[in-house]
Amino acid sequence: QKEVEQDPGPLSVPEGAIVSLNCTYSNSAFQYFMWYRQYSRKGPELLMYTYSSGNKEDGRFTAQVDKSSKYISLFIRDSQPSDSATYLCAANLLNTGGFKTIFGAGTRLFVKA
Amino acid sequence: GAVVSQHPSWVICKSGTSVKIECRSLDFQATTMFWYRQFPKQSLMLMATSNEGSKATYEQGVEKDKFLINHASLTLSTLTVTSAHPEDSSFYICSAREGTSGSETQYFGPGTRLLVL
Repeated sequence: QKEVEQDPGPLSVPEGAIVSLNCTYSNSAFQYFMWYRQYSRKGPELLMYTYSSGNKEDGRFTAQVDKSSKYISLFIRDSQPSDSATYLCAANLLNTGGFKTIFGAGTRLFVKA
Repeated sequence: GAVVSQHPSWVICKSGTSVKIECRSLDFQATTMFWYRQFPKQSLMLMATSNEGSKATYEQGVEKDKFLINHASLTLSTLTVTSAHPEDSSFYICSAREGTSGSETQYFGPGTRLLVL
């Protein structure tokens, strides 16, 4: 079992739809949670960063963390074709060598005009 | 936001040659830098973690002598692919983190596409 599980998709939605991207994790020691967006042939770009359970909103993006169920989500409202990318969830875990970031497999999202 | 640059953005080389990729944090001091490899339509695979002034920590299965990492300063890390072969062709991405408490996030470079002929 991977430490951070993410459905690779692809997920295809029409323009304007609300997109829900989800990840689960197995280790309760994870403390910090991130969402990255990666366009094709580019490096990942940090979208959202959260620590505590609850919601964090930034424009059309909302990140949600539920530590009790070990579930993290990213919601995109009014999705646009420019949102088409791969979305990676990630979590920071403290191990013997310091904090390590574990990434999900990434979900490919296609927003159709 | 924090900016990380990578150079070159793409490189084509002959089999047997060595290739050096630079990763720089432009507006912050990177205590830790990470090197990843990514195959098409796959997620990031961590190759190694480097802390400024110390030896890199390699992930299991990554050859230390093949992928040489130098983190000589708080703003520069280099990855050298030695005696490159076609199977080393991939997308290499670095990232940098400012602190060590775990609350700091990684900022990624734009990636370097390597093609070994």
